[in-house]
Amino acid sequence: GAVVSQHPSWVICKSGTSVKIECRSLDFQATTMFWYRQFPKQSLMLMATSNEGSKATYEQGVEKDKFLINHASLTLSTLTVTSAHPEDSSFYICSAPLRGGRTEAFFGQGTRLTVV
Amino acid sequence: QKEVEQDPGPLSVPEGAIVSLNCTYSNSAFQYFMWYRQYSRKGPELLMYTYSSGNKEDGRFTAQVDKSSKYISLFIRDSQPSDSATYLCAMSDGGNQFYFGTGTSLTVIP
Repeated sequence: GAVVSQHPSWVICKSGTSVKIECRSLDFQATTMFWYRQFPKQSLMLMATSNEGSKATYEQGVEKDKFLINHASLTLSTLTVTSAHPEDSSFYICSAPLRGGRTEAFFGQGTRLTVV
Repeated sequence: QKEVEQDPGPLSVPEGAIVSLNCTYSNSAFQYFMWYRQYSRKGPELLMYTYSSGNKEDGRFTAQVDKSSKYISLFIRDSQPSDSATYLCAMSDGGNQFYFGTGTSLTVIP
C-alpha cells in the first residue's frame, strides 16, 4: 500500500518552545493531508485539513495560531505546535488520501509529543 | 447522535476464535468504508477497504457492508495473538473528510 512517513515518532520539549512534525507521502502525491490528535483510548480527532498551495482548514475549536500547518509541496505537510504547554501533550497523526480524498487514507506512524 | 458508532469493547477472545467487529452509521451518503488496525502508540494501518455494499475477503479478514441497515462488520478468522490491537472503522462520502468510530480494543489470548 501507499506509504506515509511521519517524523519524529516521539519528542519531548520544554514548555514555551515550538515543535515541528513532518508528514511525507513517499510514493504518491498528496494535495490534501489531514492532521489528527488522539488521546489515550480515544478515537482520532481531526484537527485540520492541509491543502497544498493554500491555507489549511481548521476544525472548530482548534487554534490556528497555535497549530501552524504548512503544505509546502505535494509530498510534505508540517504541523508546528507553537509555544507548547503540557496540555498539548498528545499523540499526533497525519494521513493522506490516495486520490484527493475519494478513497482510502493512509496514516503516518504518529508522533508522541510530551511537553514538560 | 454521532456519525459513526462503534462499541469500544474491550473484547477478549481465545486464540483461534472468530472475531466480529461492527460499526453503525447514520449518514446514507457514505460510500467508502475502511477498517484500520492500530497498535499501541502507532499510526492506524489500513486493513480493508470497501466501496458501497457487499463483502470483501483478504486472508483471514472479511469486511461486510450492509448499506440498507447502515451497518458494517469486520470478521477475523483463526484469530492470533498478533491480532491484538484497536480496530477502527472509518467511512467517507467521497469528500475530503473521513469519519471514524471510537475503535474497539481486541485482545487475543494465547
